[in-house]
Amino acid sequence: NAGVTQTPKFQVLKTGQSMTLQCAQDMNHEYMSWYRQDPGMGLRLIHYSVGAGITDQGEVPNGYNVSRSTTEDFPLRLLSAAPSQTSVYFCASSYSYDRGRNEQFFGPGTRLTVL
Amino acid sequence: AQKITQTQPGMFVQEKEAVTLDCTYDTSDPSYGLFWYKQPSSGEMIFLIYQGSYDQQNATEGRYSLNFQKARKSANLVISASQLGDSAMYFCAMREDSGYSTLTFGKGTMLLVSP
Repeated sequence: NAGVTQTPKFQVLKTGQSMTLQCAQDMNHEYMSWYRQDPGMGLRLIHYSVGAGITDQGEVPNGYNVSRSTTEDFPLRLLSAAPSQTSVYFCASSYSYDRGRNEQFFGPGTRLTVL
Repeated sequence: AQKITQTQPGMFVQEKEAVTLDCTYDTSDPSYGLFWYKQPSSGEMIFLIYQGSYDQQNATEGRYSLNFQKARKSANLVISASQLGDSAMYFCAMREDSGYSTLTFGKGTMLLVSP
């Protein structure tokens, strides 16, 4: 199993450009999520999905869109990049969202810089 | 109010000694889970240990144990016999089991292990 994969690993954008961060998992996990990590801030939830066709907003959703058309894929779209979106982005998945351990498995991250 | 508080921005410990990383949390949900993740300098997020709010015993995973004090709302991570490879950022996180079980992270504690 590859686990959770993310592409690209690094990306530089200009203000106003759009792009999609890709995330895929091969563990048949029900729950997937996107976080951003900024210095001194920990990880903050952007969007999450509890299954194909179901998504919801997290703590910091503005400027980002998601969709989940398959169980495996959960892309994150930046509509019009801003310097404030410079961050490291992590995708994560877990078997389900039910109570119990259900730890989240993280991808390697995408380091995004917006100029 | 912050849901997860890690008051130690940085900790130093000598190799082979034990170290405790503090975490306090705030929730009114009777059912919740507490997690610790490790982030080495390479950037990946590694799950370490889980404690459920209804678990009677403190969780242990190898050299990691979780000192769970429910009344004090604390979930401290104890690393016994520290190793140089334990140098990393450590994050405490909470999942409240009402709703869709999203994770809230603390800001992290940087642990440095010296020879």
